Formats: sequence, structure tokens, C-alpha cells
Amino acid sequence: AQSVTQLDSQVPVFEEAPVELRCNYSSSVSVYLFWYVQYPNQGLQLLLKYLSGSTLVKGINGFEAEFNKSQTSFHLRKPSVHISDTAEYFCAVSDYGNKLVFGAGTILRVKS
Amino acid sequence: NAGVTQTPKFQVLKTGQSMTLQCAQDMNHEYMSWYRQDPGMGLRLIHYSVGAGITDQGEVPNGYNVSRSTTEDFPLRLLSAAPSQTSVYFCASLRPGIAEAFFGQGTRLTVV
Repeated sequence: AQSVTQLDSQVPVFEEAPVELRCNYSSSVSVYLFWYVQYPNQGLQLLLKYLSGSTLVKGINGFEAEFNKSQTSFHLRKPSVHISDTAEYFCAVSDYGNKLVFGAGTILRVKS
Repeated sequence: NAGVTQTPKFQVLKTGQSMTLQCAQDMNHEYMSWYRQDPGMGLRLIHYSVGAGITDQGEVPNGYNVSRSTTEDFPLRLLSAAPSQTSVYFCASLRPGIAEAFFGQGTRLTVV
């Protein structure tokens, strides 16, 4: 079965600084990988996804993630964050099937 | 296009009461699922369905029942609510093959 580990529960960062949110997964088969964002008191929104092809994936709001098969990682990055990026971010994995498994989430706090 | 619709948005129950959380989708997706979200634990899968008449348990199924009589609807039933079921519940409809999830806005349930 798949599992997802998000290595940081909270990440504080100053506005306009770069940020990386770390995600590791385990699976016995090849996977699809996702990052979702949840703004306060809202539902989840897809940021980006890796299905196949280029290991660098670009998403909405200037975020990108890199799939590293050898390290079983899918870290999320943004070169310059804004106050509006304050939210909780979830990494998720699917093993080509229909089940989607989520990590525990990382709260990104952007400070001015 | 409504996507995934959950009702109600908020609910307070007394211990031992029963209720049904409603979920409907208009994307003709076969796969639907229910998650609960608790602080620091991410989204945990309660039950899922791969089509009308077919349901299965997820990671935390105890205390919950589901049924799937149509492709569109996937209600979640709490037969005898307990304080441990205080949580935010999300219904999701998954895009076939790649498990990309479309979420409802959530139901915030408090059991007192």
C-alpha cells in the first residue's frame, strides 16, 4: 500500500523568500503524485500533478515540484512567496488505481 | 457545472444521534470517496466506491456506513455519533485512471 510522509508540519518563511515543502512517498508500484492546497476554511484545490514525462512539474500560482524516483520524493517549491500563499499544503499519491492517499499536511506561514 | 456538492456545511449532533452527510457529483465519475480531516493527520480515507452498488472500507471506517445506489450520489451515515467523530468531512469524486480528486466544500461536524 502507498503512504506519504510530509517532513515538516509547519514552515514559517518571510515574504519574497523561497520555500520548499518536502514530501516522500512509498509504493510498490509506479505512482501518480499530487500537491493540493487548502486555504483557511475552504476545500482542497489541485496545485499540480505528476503523471509521467518531465520530472519537473509546474503548477498554479508559481509553484513547481520535482519528481525524484530514486529518492521517492516529490518536493514542492516556490522561488518567492507572497502573504496570500499562507495555507496548508497536502502531498498525495495514487498507484494508477482509484485510491488517493494523503500526507499529514504542511502549514505554510508567510510573514511580512 | 456544480462539480461535487456536499450538504450540510455545518452540523452539531448529540452523542448517540444519527445523521447522513450528503454528497452528489455531476461529472459522471465512477469513483467517489469520503475523507475526514483532523489537525495534524491530513485526510484519512473512510469509505470509497468504484461504482454504483460497490463500496469498500478505507483507513478509518468504524462508525460509518455508506451506500451507492446511483453514480451521482454517495451518502455517508453516522449511525450513533461519538465525540471522536468531530471532524471536517470531505467528499471527493475522482477522475478515472489518474485519481485526480475533485472535492466538495466540506462538512464541519461537532458531536457533543
